[in-house]
Amino acid sequence: EAGVAQSPRYKIIEKRQSVAFWCNPISGHATLYWYQQILGQGPKLLIQFQNNGVVDDSQLPKDRFSAERLKGVDSTLKIQPAKLEDSAVYLCASSLWGGKEEQYFGPGTRLTVT
Amino acid sequence: DQQVKQNSPSLSVQEGRISILNCDYTNSMFDYFLWYKKYPAEGPTFLISISSIKDKNEDGRFTVFLNKSAKHLSLHIVPSQPGDSAVYFCAAQTSGSARQLTFGSGTQLTVLP
Repeated sequence: EAGVAQSPRYKIIEKRQSVAFWCNPISGHATLYWYQQILGQGPKLLIQFQNNGVVDDSQLPKDRFSAERLKGVDSTLKIQPAKLEDSAVYLCASSLWGGKEEQYFGPGTRLTVT
Repeated sequence: DQQVKQNSPSLSVQEGRISILNCDYTNSMFDYFLWYKKYPAEGPTFLISISSIKDKNEDGRFTVFLNKSAKHLSLHIVPSQPGDSAVYFCAAQTSGSARQLTFGSGTQLTVLP
């Protein structure tokens, strides 16, 4: 079974530029999550999708971050414009139905904003 | 406000001995707890979980203990192996429809050969 795929693996941009990350979850998983992991901290949930609908985006900085999962499969997360404090690893995860179950994580995208 | 705390940033253990990783939480709405392991440049990998209706769950060398009255859980690894060296994250899930996962800050475990 293929795992969660993410691209790119690394990205370096200057502040005020825009960037997009892509995620393809495990086939058949209805729930998709985007996390931000700052160095030395645990992952923090940014947004959760159930199929193509948003379940929770309470911690997403909506003035600069956006995410979509149009066909209920893959998803993109965008930052525009980027700030220095956005430097982090962005992790995508998926789970079967979003209940009492484990989430499967992709390898992440390491973003450096200079 | 950190709802899930891992107070030990690092732990070193001799190969073959027991590793005990600790986690404390503050939110009484958490009803499902998970441990993840993370190697460098990889995403976290699920290790073991426990529901709040239980106080122990075992899977091979890994055992998780939950003390609800103390709002404390621990992960025991016996015997520890050098391949267990990784960052271990404790995570907790709230009851309700969204079931958001909240992570601790992680503990770096080093198993010395």
